[in-house]
This record gives sequence, structure tokens and C-alpha cells, in this order.
Amino acid sequence: AQSVAQPEDQVNVAEGNPLTVKCTYSVSGNPYLFWYVQYPNRGLQFLLKYITGDNLVKGSYGFEAEFNKSQTSFHLKKPSALVSDSALYFCAVRDYGNNRLAFGKGNQVVVIP
Amino acid sequence: EAGVAQSPRYKIIEKRQSVAFWCNPISGHATLYWYQQILGQGPKLLIQFQNNGVVDDSQLPKDRFSAERLKGVDSTLKIQPAKLEDSAVYLCASSLSGDSNQPQHFGDGTRLSIL
Repeated sequence: AQSVAQPEDQVNVAEGNPLTVKCTYSVSGNPYLFWYVQYPNRGLQFLLKYITGDNLVKGSYGFEAEFNKSQTSFHLKKPSALVSDSALYFCAVRDYGNNRLAFGKGNQVVVIP
Repeated sequence: EAGVAQSPRYKIIEKRQSVAFWCNPISGHATLYWYQQILGQGPKLLIQFQNNGVVDDSQLPKDRFSAERLKGVDSTLKIQPAKLEDSAVYLCASSLSGDSNQPQHFGDGTRLSIL
């Protein structure tokens, strides 16, 4: 079964600095990878996805993610963090042919003014 | 476009009582999902519908949980009887189709507290 690991519980970053949220995955076939963001008392919002093609994927709000097949990673990045980026970030993976979306436990991002 | 609508937003019940949650997906979305999100964890799929048919309910505790999507539009998730470990946020999501490359769109959830 597919699975996702998000090794850090919390990521602290100063406003204006680069932000990276780490994700590694495990699937038996080709992965479909997603990042979602969750604000307090809200549902998850879709940020970006990797299906195939270019390893660097650009998404909403200036976020991007890099797919690395050899390292089975899909790290989320933003060049310059904003205080409003403080939220819970989830990485998720779907195995081609298996529709179930497996989520990681989430990373709390805190952007310090 | 209107998003996924869920109600109620909050519910407090005592253990062994029953509770129901309602979800209305984005118009035209054929696939509907119910997730359970326990505090500190990622969402866990309970059941997936394609129109009014069940695609995946392998993680649904069928002795106490049930769900239906009779007309292939809105859906209801029920718990009867509730246990303390059912305290969680119940999220509904929808997607245009059940294809693996489709992103899911989530509602704001129902926060359930069991006393």
C-alpha cells in the first residue's frame, strides 16, 4: 500500500526566508503526488500536483515542489515565506491504479515576522 | 463556483448516541469522499462514492458507520452508536471524476466531540 512520510512535526522560518517542507513516499508503481494546506478550522486546500513530465511543479500562492524519483521525495518549497503561509501542510500520494489517497501526518509551518 | 458544503460544523454527543453528517459536493462532481481526521493525523479515507455507487469502503467500520449517496449528489454519513474514539473532524471531499490524477476539493468539515 502507498504511504507518505513527513519527518518534521514543525517547521519554523523567518518571514522572507525560503521555506521547505519535506515529504518522502512509498508506492508500488508510478506515483501521483499532491500537496494540500489546511488553515485552522478549515478543510484542506489543493496547492499542486505531480502526475508526469517536468520534475518541478508550480502551484498556488507561489509554492512549487520538486519530484525526485531516485530519492522518492516530493519536497514543497517557497522562495520567500509570508506570515500568512503559517498553516498545516499535508503531502499525499496515489498509486496509479489504486484510487485511495494516502496522506502524511502533516507539518505545521510557523512563519515568524 | 460554490465549494463543498458540510453541516453541521460542530456536534457534541454522548457515547452510544447516534449522529449524522451531511455533505453537498461541488456541482457536477461525480466522485465523493468521506474522511476521518483525528487530531495530529492526516485524513483517513472512510468511503468513496462514484455517482451513487460505492467504490471503496474497506476502511469504514461497518458495525457502526454507514453512508449513502442515493441520488448521486449529496451524501450522509452516520455513526450509530458513537464511541469515544470517534472524536475527530469528518471531512467531505469531491472530485470531477475518480481518476487518480484529479485533485480533491474539501469542505470545512464537521468537528465531532464524544463525551
